[in-house]
Amino acid sequence: QSALTQPASVSGSPGQSITISCTGTSSDIGSHDFVSWYQQHPPKPPRLLTYEVNKRPSGVSSRFSGSKSGNTASLTISGLQAEDEADYYCCSNAGTTNVIFGGGTKVTVL
Amino acid sequence: QVHLQESGPGLVKPSETLALTCSVSGASITSGSYFWGWIRQSPGKGLEWIGNVYYGGITYSNPSLKSRVFMSVDTSKSQFSLSLSSVIVADTAVYYCVRQRSMDPTTTQYWGHGILVNVSS
Repeated sequence: QSALTQPASVSGSPGQSITISCTGTSSDIGSHDFVSWYQQHPPKPPRLLTYEVNKRPSGVSSRFSGSKSGNTASLTISGLQAEDEADYYCCSNAGTTNVIFGGGTKVTVL
Repeated sequence: QVHLQESGPGLVKPSETLALTCSVSGASITSGSYFWGWIRQSPGKGLEWIGNVYYGGITYSNPSLKSRVFMSVDTSKSQFSLSLSSVIVADTAVYYCVRQRSMDPTTTQYWGHGILVNVSS
């Protein structure tokens, strides 16, 4: 199973909104609503931002929102802040028992 | 608070077996709501799901690694383990032990700090 496709980098100015895309296929993202997003400030472990497409765990800012259309999932960060500069990964089920990640997107706050 | 802690050797020779253990505290390893899994990250690269194990012993693995992966749970010690056989240099990575929701293994809310394993002669 191939990794999901994300842009290598996305940038924005403080206060702006940015969107990171994650493209899969009808066998993974397109077949269910089990899509999640993670934020990582290296060398720390990733942190769960959203799950089941658009749900947020407690403690995660409402500035982070997930969505999905067809085979593509998206993460939108609104009101961009300096602390949002990090790597972001999407994740999806592929089949019933396989889990795949996107290649990661580096977000730069200008 | 759920806490996961990886342990094992930081250096493994090519062709040998990488063996890691994860100690769980703050949660019951016998909970039916979760899988206990492993995710790795090669230096400067992205995340790769290795597999997970249910407390009853059922395991699921990445198809690309399945032939080399063995996972188990020791409920008496609240630990679970990973063995990766016939390692190569490309298996060098930070290995994270994680807790994943059994109804949705893409949801990984708890991660260990990670352990760097170098494969080198």
